Amino acid sequence: DTGVSQDPRHKITKRGQNVTFRCDPISEHNRLYWYRQTLGQGPEFLTYFQNEAQLEKSRLLSDRFSAERPKGSFSTLEIQRTEQGDSAMYLCASSLDRADLGLGAFFGQGTRLTVV
Amino acid sequence: GENVEQHPSTLSVQEGDSAVIKCTYSDSASNYFPWYKQELGKRPQLIIDIRSNVGEKKDQRIAVTLNKTAKHFSLHITETQPEDSAVYFCAALNDYKLSFGAGTTVTVRA
Repeated sequence: DTGVSQDPRHKITKRGQNVTFRCDPISEHNRLYWYRQTLGQGPEFLTYFQNEAQLEKSRLLSDRFSAERPKGSFSTLEIQRTEQGDSAMYLCASSLDRADLGLGAFFGQGTRLTVV
Repeated sequence: GENVEQHPSTLSVQEGDSAVIKCTYSDSASNYFPWYKQELGKRPQLIIDIRSNVGEKKDQRIAVTLNKTAKHFSLHITETQPEDSAVYFCAALNDYKLSFGAGTTVTVRA
């Protein structure tokens, strides 16, 4: 599968625990996004990487959230001291920044987080 | 920042009829408008897109139109089939940030 892959697909954690998710984008894509989706809503932007640089972080993200893309390839999203309100689907997407080759962002299957 | 509004939130159509979903955006700098289809429990899938220098684009039974002056764009699905039942999201890209509408749940009645 040459698409965007995310791991794990599901995560159940106790409130207060830390969790980390991984995203592997499409190999030639230099843009990488993290979104959060709750039931009945559209994806909400969390953060964006251009290669290894994190260029924007949404105000939705508290200091408990951190994301990295150390070598401009895969990315991790960590949530510290999880709260029940963090329960959601966390989606990763990647795209090219070349308009002549297409601007479409392609999503991974997501990681469904449940905080109990 | 960009604000994308999408209507209607739910849409029920008879098989074979057309479905239309409308979106508006707020930032005139947005220049790319993709549409995604999301089936239950699956990832959003890019189904069609349009750039700001194009007014209309068609791909088989789906088409998108864009009115830059009014800052709205629409998705048209003709000859709907049961497999078109899903949640559809519009989005607008401003530089690098892709902002999504809240989604339209489309149900095609057999």
